Amino acid sequence: GQSLEQPSEVTAVEGAIVQINCTYQTSGFYGLSWYQQHDGGAPTFLSYNALDGLEETGRFSSFLSRSDSYGYLLLQELQMKDSASYFCAVSLDSNYQLIWGAGTKLIIKP
Amino acid sequence: DAGITQSPRHKVTETGTPVTLRCHQTENHRYMYWYRQDPGHGLRLIHYSYGVKDTDKGEVSDGYSVSRSKTEDFLLTLESATSSQTSVYFCAISGGTSGVGETQYFGPGTRLLVL
Repeated sequence: GQSLEQPSEVTAVEGAIVQINCTYQTSGFYGLSWYQQHDGGAPTFLSYNALDGLEETGRFSSFLSRSDSYGYLLLQELQMKDSASYFCAVSLDSNYQLIWGAGTKLIIKP
Repeated sequence: DAGITQSPRHKVTETGTPVTLRCHQTENHRYMYWYRQDPGHGLRLIHYSYGVKDTDKGEVSDGYSVSRSKTEDFLLTLESATSSQTSVYFCAISGGTSGVGETQYFGPGTRLLVL
């Protein structure tokens, strides 16, 4: 079977740094993506890692270790608008099928 | 934002009735996907399409069928709706003409309630 594990909820303080982890066990692997979803909204793409290492996009960074089947999303200088659910997803094959984690709800306190 | 719309946005129906949801894109993307989202499950793939008239099943395809007769439209049909199909349905697209497919762009979603 396919599985992705991520924490169900993370709490952090405005202005701080938070890391959301994702471990996966899948039959195939092309890459690891991260998406953000605000309550009542649609998921929006944040980042994609196909190779080991860190990818940085503004306040957000994403890391992948293929040998450990592990990745994380790092959010810096947290803002209240970052309160949302964050999903990791694995691309299984060349048709870009995605298998999704259950999501991590990020709660930010002032 | 990618040009992707879904209709209807909200629907209430009764058990046993057929329901069709429509996804329309104006981006000429090759791949289209139908997901359902339920609390605690994240997004689960129902069916996807990799071209006109080319479709395949996802992990939760039972009770659903799809059709894609044009690049821009992808239809999801619940042949005989059941209460377990109450969910939020998202359509997504990926794979523009540049060939980059790993980013999926989502429509606004359809909230379906089956009574």
